Amino acid sequence: AQKVTQAQTEISVVEKEDVTLDCVYETRDTTYYLFWYKQPPSGELVFLIRRNSFDEQNEISGRYSWNFQKSTSSFNFTITASQVVDSAVYFCALSVPYSGAGSYQLTFGKGTKLSVIP
Amino acid sequence: DGGITQSPKYLFRKEGQNVTLSCEQNLNHDAMYWYRQDPGQGLRLIYYSQIVNDFQKGDIAEGYSVSREKKESFPLTVTSAQKNPTAFYLCASRRGSRQETQYFGPGTRLLVL
Repeated sequence: AQKVTQAQTEISVVEKEDVTLDCVYETRDTTYYLFWYKQPPSGELVFLIRRNSFDEQNEISGRYSWNFQKSTSSFNFTITASQVVDSAVYFCALSVPYSGAGSYQLTFGKGTKLSVIP
Repeated sequence: DGGITQSPKYLFRKEGQNVTLSCEQNLNHDAMYWYRQDPGQGLRLIYYSQIVNDFQKGDIAEGYSVSREKKESFPLTVTSAQKNPTAFYLCASRRGSRQETQYFGPGTRLLVL
């Protein structure tokens, strides 16, 4: 069975501070995909990034960066110089290609609510 | 514009009533999914469909039903058997390739009167 843990339920930071959102995952599969989604107050989930289990390179996209470490089963997300528009709930998710089904179901963490204070 | 639409945005259900949530996509995606989100919780899978006329139960399918008669459409019916239907419902779709990402619609909030 797959599991995703986001231990931080809520985080508050002052604008321009850096913030890291933690994600720890569990799976016995060697092939899997990890995702981060952003859910602003409007409710729609916005896709941010996908990583596969064979690519441990860290990635940077503007103010966003992701640190994938298989040794600790973690896929952490850092926002640099946070802005008020970054206020949202952030979800980490895990997808495993079930053999025979290929359904690639997503297992979500419970999310981290980030509040950026002006 | 290509995307996923869900309607209505808000839906009210009376006791004993069945209600249907609409999900339409014009992305030419093969797979479609329905998730339920409760306050402070992650998303839980209700049903998914990988091709037309085929669908599978997810983790919390009891009290729900779906159909997939067209590639573009995947409606979800919340039946009277679902005793606690108040939640935020999100529809998602994914292209056929096994590596593809799921993209989500704007969601429908269901409330019980």
